[in-house]
Amino acid sequence: EVQLAESGGGLVQPGGSLRLSCAASGFTFNSHALGWVRQAPGKGLEWVSVISIRGDFTYYADSVKGRVTISRDNWKTTLYLQMNGLRAEDTAVYYCVKELVGVGGSYVFDKWGKGTLVTVSS
Amino acid sequence: DIQMTQSPSTLSASVGDRVTITCRASQGVSDLLAWYQQKPGKAPQLLIYRASRLNSGVPSRFSGSGSGTEFTLTISSLQPDDFATYYCQQFNTFSLTFGGGSKVEIK
Repeated sequence: EVQLAESGGGLVQPGGSLRLSCAASGFTFNSHALGWVRQAPGKGLEWVSVISIRGDFTYYADSVKGRVTISRDNWKTTLYLQMNGLRAEDTAVYYCVKELVGVGGSYVFDKWGKGTLVTVSS
Repeated sequence: DIQMTQSPSTLSASVGDRVTITCRASQGVSDLLAWYQQKPGKAPQLLIYRASRLNSGVPSRFSGSGSGTEFTLTISSLQPDDFATYYCQQFNTFSLTFGGGSKVEIK
């Protein structure tokens, strides 16, 4: 069974930093692109970032570009999201997502973790 | 970025009803569109990709259609488990975008 378990969320002050982790199991980790999607309280889904299988390609939403870095450790089967310069508008549940391979286009996500809440507030 | 607009934002329906949700893209995305279902307090689940292909395990009462800029998600006979919020997502570009969501409520 595929499992994606996020951790690292919490309360942080504006301008602060946080590193999210996503421990993955139940699938061939180094055969899938992975990413992060967030959801502000009571709002819709917003894509944040995606990283390719070997980590050589990364993509970011304009809203986080320059403040966020996605990375992966294929040996530890773990995905990361380093977030710096956090703002109130970054407050959201952050979901770790796994791509569905072989569908064409860029990325579709067939597995989601349960999410970790990041709250940016003074 | 490609903007995705869903309608309606809220829909009231009864068990057994046929339900249709529309998703429009600000520019053509071919058939590179997916639909997700999200229940309160839960992570989204992939229903459909490539506009009309059902993900594994998704009931056949769900169907999708469309290409270019206009897409629909149809539930042929609404079941109690289907009351949820539905999101479309384009994957034509590497700047992924979701629609704002369509909530299906009990009438």
